[in-house]
Amino acid sequence: QKEVEQNSGPLSVPEGAIASLNCTYSDRVSQSFFWYRQYSGKSPELIMSIYSNGDKEDGRFTAQLNKASQYVSLLIRDSQPSDSATYLCAVAPWGRGGSYIPTFGRGTSLIVHP
Amino acid sequence: DAGITQSPRYKITETGRQVTLMCHQTWSHSYMFWYRQDLGHGLRLIYYSAAADITDKGEVPDGYVVSRSKTENFPLTLESATRSQTSVYFCASSMASGGATGANVLTFGAGSRLTVL
Repeated sequence: QKEVEQNSGPLSVPEGAIASLNCTYSDRVSQSFFWYRQYSGKSPELIMSIYSNGDKEDGRFTAQLNKASQYVSLLIRDSQPSDSATYLCAVAPWGRGGSYIPTFGRGTSLIVHP
Repeated sequence: DAGITQSPRYKITETGRQVTLMCHQTWSHSYMFWYRQDLGHGLRLIYYSAAADITDKGEVPDGYVVSRSKTENFPLTLESATRSQTSVYFCASSMASGGATGANVLTFGAGSRLTVL
């Protein structure tokens, strides 16, 4: 069974600090990786997608992918209280037509305190 | 309005009743998905569809039925609701499968909160 593992947290960081969220996955052929943010009572929304090894930066967010270690992470710089949410890691195989199935981790709860 | 809409947003029903959750998207996305979200389990895939008239089971399909006669609609039916099906249900869609262009990014509806008494 394809698994995506995340520490459930909560991860608590002070305002202005760097928050580091981690995710490991079991399916070696996975090629698409996503981070979604979910506020309480709301639906998940995409933060970052990453497809190749290395870092991808978008504003205060950086996604890091290491396929050899089957590890993907999300860094949030200058964390703000508005970043307090649950962060979901999702992993998907590469373009196999009908077998495309995105699998989600259970999410990490992030709390940014003033 | 464009987007992906779910209805009803909230539903209370009784054990044994049939319930249908509706999902409608206006983007003509090929792929549509139903997930359920429960504390301690995260998002679990119930069913997905690659195109009209093509559906397949996900991780937790038992007790659910789906159909997709039109590209834009993907209803989820609980034929005989049980208390264990109390959950928040999310419909999602994506343009395509795979690729590194963002075509496989999921966009979610607002969710349907179902309570089975």
